[in-house]
Amino acid sequence: EVQLLESGGGLVQPGGSLRLSCAASGFSFTTYAMSWVRQAPGKGLEWVSSISASGGNTYYADSVKGRFTISRDNSKNTLYLQMNSLRAEDTAIYYCANFYGSGSYYNPFWYWGQGTLVTVSS
Amino acid sequence: DIQMTQSPSSLSASVGDRVTISCRASQGISNYLAWYQQKPGRVPKLLIYAASTLQSGVPSRFSGSGSGTDFTLTISSLQPEDVATYYCQKYNNALGTFGQGTKVEIK
Repeated sequence: EVQLLESGGGLVQPGGSLRLSCAASGFSFTTYAMSWVRQAPGKGLEWVSSISASGGNTYYADSVKGRFTISRDNSKNTLYLQMNSLRAEDTAIYYCANFYGSGSYYNPFWYWGQGTLVTVSS
Repeated sequence: DIQMTQSPSSLSASVGDRVTISCRASQGISNYLAWYQQKPGRVPKLLIYAASTLQSGVPSRFSGSGSGTDFTLTISSLQPEDVATYYCQKYNNALGTFGQGTKVEIK
């Protein structure tokens, strides 16, 4: 059974930092690209970032570019999102997701974690 | 990058009605288009991929069509359990942009 379990969310002040983790199991993590998607309270889905299976290629939405860093540790089957210079508009549930089929970017999202809430407020 | 625009943003229909949701890409994306259903308090669920391929287990009243820039999700006979927000998403490259969502309610 595929499982994606996010952790690391919480309350942080504007300008602060937070690191999210996503522990993966039930599939061949090392062969799948992975992504982070967020959803602000009462709002729609926003793709945040993706990373290749090897970790050698990363991609970011313009809204987080230069502030967020996606990474992965294939020895631990874990995906990360380092979030710096956080703003109120970064407040959201952050989901990790893997890709359907071959696991490359050229597939839709398949399994999603339950999400972790990040609240940026003073 | 490519923007995805859905319409309408919300709709209300009766049980048994045919419902259509549109999604337009600002540039051509071939058939790299997925539709997701998100019920309140739940994570999104993949309904359709490759613009028209029904994901396993999804009721046949759901269908998708389109290619290039214009896409459509159709629910042939709306059921109470279909109350949800529906999102389109492009995946022609690593930037997986979503549409803004369409909230479907029962009249």
